[in-house]
Amino acid sequence: GQNIDQPTEMTATEGAIVQINCTYQTSGFNGLFWYQQHAGEAPTFLSYNVLDGLEEKGRFSSFLSRSKGYSYLLLKELQMKDSASYLCAVRGLTDSWGKLQFGAGTQVVVTP
Amino acid sequence: DTGVSQDPRHKITKRGQNVTFRCDPISEHNRLYWYRQTLGQGPEFLTYFQNEAQLEKSRLLSDRFSAERPKGSFSTLEIQRTEQGDSAMYLCASSSLRETYYGYTFGSGTRLTVV
Repeated sequence: GQNIDQPTEMTATEGAIVQINCTYQTSGFNGLFWYQQHAGEAPTFLSYNVLDGLEEKGRFSSFLSRSKGYSYLLLKELQMKDSASYLCAVRGLTDSWGKLQFGAGTQVVVTP
Repeated sequence: DTGVSQDPRHKITKRGQNVTFRCDPISEHNRLYWYRQTLGQGPEFLTYFQNEAQLEKSRLLSDRFSAERPKGSFSTLEIQRTEQGDSAMYLCASSSLRETYYGYTFGSGTRLTVV
């Protein structure tokens, strides 16, 4: 099975940086995903890591360390619209067809 | 193409009634997934189709739940004899074979409330 842990809530000020950590335990690993979900809406894809290192996409970056079972999502220059839940999801080694195991999500609150 | 569509958006039903939800995936996507999400939790995998074949069902999917994808296009999820514990957001997602590796596209979900 898989265990995925991420903080429940984080608060940050507009314009600041926030780092959301995700740790996972899995019987095999075939990729880690970050999704953003606004209240009452569908999750939307943010990033994908399968190799160690940092992936940067504009204001968002995601980092992966497979040996540590650890990832983080970095949100820079926070905007009010970034207030949302951020979901960490892992694909196991045998799940090449796409089944994902999600964490409970981290609610990010951006304050003025 | 407007993405993954789910119908209805909201459903309120009395305990013991049957409900059916529909999902229309992105047209060229041959893979379709159903997830369930409760408040404060991440989505939980329910079942997966490749074309019309249902390839896996989670143990979360009790005998009261059934899903179909008869022609490999739209899919339905039926819950029989609903219970209050079935109250949740039911999310559908789809992907193509190539895109599966990079995640998939979710629909807006059907929010079920069992009273």
